[in-house]
Amino acid sequence: DAGVTQSPTHLIKTRGQQVTLRCSPKSGHDTVSWYQQALGQGPQFIFQYYEEEERQRGNFPDRFSGHQFPNYSSELNVNALLLGDSALYLCASSFRTSGLGETQYFGPGTRLLVL
Amino acid sequence: GESVGLHLPTLSVQEGDNSIINCAYSNSASDYFIWYKQESGKGPQFIIDIRSNMDKRQGQRVTVLLNKTVKHLSLQIAATQPGDSAVYFCAENMTGFQKLVFGTGTRLLVSP
Repeated sequence: DAGVTQSPTHLIKTRGQQVTLRCSPKSGHDTVSWYQQALGQGPQFIFQYYEEEERQRGNFPDRFSGHQFPNYSSELNVNALLLGDSALYLCASSFRTSGLGETQYFGPGTRLLVL
Repeated sequence: GESVGLHLPTLSVQEGDNSIINCAYSNSASDYFIWYKQESGKGPQFIIDIRSNMDKRQGQRVTVLLNKTVKHLSLQIAATQPGDSAVYFCAENMTGFQKLVFGTGTRLLVSP
């Protein structure tokens, strides 16, 4: 049973560039959440996708956008990169239940370095 | 691998000891809590969860205790092993809201 997978594992970009990160959820999961983890801190929620729509968004600017595909995989796009966007980007998948907290399982992350 | 946390609270124990990691959560309306383990260079790994209608839940070598009165969560690891060395995060969630809110993390160091 494949867990959550993410690509690429590492990425180096320069300021002002755009980046796309990819995530495939755990088998049987239909919901994907994205988190940003700065060095030495806990993950911060960016947004969550379910049924190909953004369901909730954290405190991140519009430069951060996403997409979910019919096969439940997801992309995170970041435009106009800033040095402060350097972080580990984590994807978490879950199975949406009605009204209860959902256990989210994380992928290995993509380490983004902005120079 | 890369360091997950450079200036985190650290708990140092000897192999075979029991470890207790504490967490204060922020939202009294949170009703679902999870403990994650994060090793250097990896994503958080689910350990155990608990809902607000429970005070205690046990897994294999781990126990989570929830005190809603003081908004406190703890993770107990029995017979700690060197492989338990990692950063441990608690996370909280409120029904109807999709995001997990993570605590600051605790680094557990287990000496042989």
